[in-house]
Amino acid sequence: SSELTQDPAVSVALGQTVRITCQGDSLRRYYASWYQQKPGQAPVLVIYGKNNRPSGIPDRFSGSSSGNTASLTITGAQAEDEADYYCNSRDSSGNHLDRVFGGGTKLTVL
Amino acid sequence: QVQLQESGPGLVKPSETLSLTCTVSGGSVSSSSYYWSWIRQPPGKGLEWIGYIYHSGSTNSNPSLKSRVTTSVDTSKNQFSLKLSSVTAADTAVYYCARDLLGYGSRGGNWFDPWGQGTLVTVSS
Repeated sequence: SSELTQDPAVSVALGQTVRITCQGDSLRRYYASWYQQKPGQAPVLVIYGKNNRPSGIPDRFSGSSSGNTASLTITGAQAEDEADYYCNSRDSSGNHLDRVFGGGTKLTVL
Repeated sequence: QVQLQESGPGLVKPSETLSLTCTVSGGSVSSSSYYWSWIRQPPGKGLEWIGYIYHSGSTNSNPSLKSRVTTSVDTSKNQFSLKLSSVTAADTAVYYCARDLLGYGSRGGNWFDPWGQGTLVTVSS
């Protein structure tokens, strides 16, 4: 099965822009989705498809993709954005029906 | 607004079978637009997709767990369920259920939305 690789930790100064990346062969074939998880809470979808935000997700969150890399960008990071972020996609090996997650990135807002 | 709620024992003995149910409200598990997935997260670790079921009963699961996973759906109760057999301490995790959607087009991936609140299952004697 395919793997998705994320940096374990990233930090950003309050109000600055941060990019969280996710790499994997399946991302050449499929868009990634992104989830925010705060301590003790269930993950919440923040980006899906080419660059779509569910209702209620601030427009400072955006997504992009190039080659085997998907990116989640937070423009003007806020203190409440400090959380773990996970990418997810379909597995492009095998039957293309499996789902796969990245290992997660812990975002610290300084 | 669709909501999902996991239920089941919080403690399972090693070698036994873990059984969880997800109750869906505000939507129907019979919808042809969605899959219904199980995802787990060991304490302090990342997310792992376990498997999904479609309203027709079609299933798929993580190759690493496939031999131990059984998923089912009960449309009359608007629920879907997970059974994980021969559990060990490595199966201790928060288990989430989630609605699973596929994107359209050649690059359509998938996404999970919404998620249940999660339930901690501990495997211990």
